[in-house]
Amino acid sequence: DVKVTQSSRYLVKRTGEKVFLECVQDMDHENMFWYRQDPGLGLRLIYFSYDVKMKEKGDIPEGYSVSREKKERFSLILESASTNQTSMYLCASSFGGYNQPQHFGDGTRLSIL
Amino acid sequence: DQQVKQNSPSLSVQEGRISILNCDYTNSMFDYFLWYKKYPAEGPTFLISISSIKDKNEDGRFTVFLNKSAKHLSLHIVPSQPGDSAVYFCAASAMGGSQGNLIFGKGTKLSVKP
Repeated sequence: DVKVTQSSRYLVKRTGEKVFLECVQDMDHENMFWYRQDPGLGLRLIYFSYDVKMKEKGDIPEGYSVSREKKERFSLILESASTNQTSMYLCASSFGGYNQPQHFGDGTRLSIL
Repeated sequence: DQQVKQNSPSLSVQEGRISILNCDYTNSMFDYFLWYKKYPAEGPTFLISISSIKDKNEDGRFTVFLNKSAKHLSLHIVPSQPGDSAVYFCAASAMGGSQGNLIFGKGTKLSVKP
């Protein structure tokens, strides 16, 4: 079974802090993704990566950056956390190509106070 | 502009009956479609997919139907069980789009009553 592990289930940070969310997958997947899920808005793509050190912006990249130094690990960085970044963050991974299902971690519920 | 739409935010069904979840899309370039199930406090779980060269795909109690001319897909769950109660997301991707990107609908919350 595919295993996508997010480092924290719940996280509370303060406004202005730099926040790191970590994601690790164990299936040698080429693609990795970061989404946020908000009530009534569904899943929105923040950033994705299709190879080590490669990244592309998704639909809502403002205020975020990412890092992929190793194939199995994809980090989401909130450069200066703000209250409107309080959300559920979901990491996913998939094999390369467009017709591959993405497999998700259990999410990190992030609260910015 | 929503490219993938799930117009019913919620659906309630009696145990043992059929659940039908609907999804419409606007982008004619989409050619791969998926359904995910999500329980509270968990990540979405991949359920079933269909390529645009097919109009039906079955996996146990789950069947996905694709009507390309209507740009419509549906997920049928037969028979429905209380454990099927969850939020269901449909998603789509296009061969010409960014690698592996999925466009998600906003979800439909299914409640299956015993």
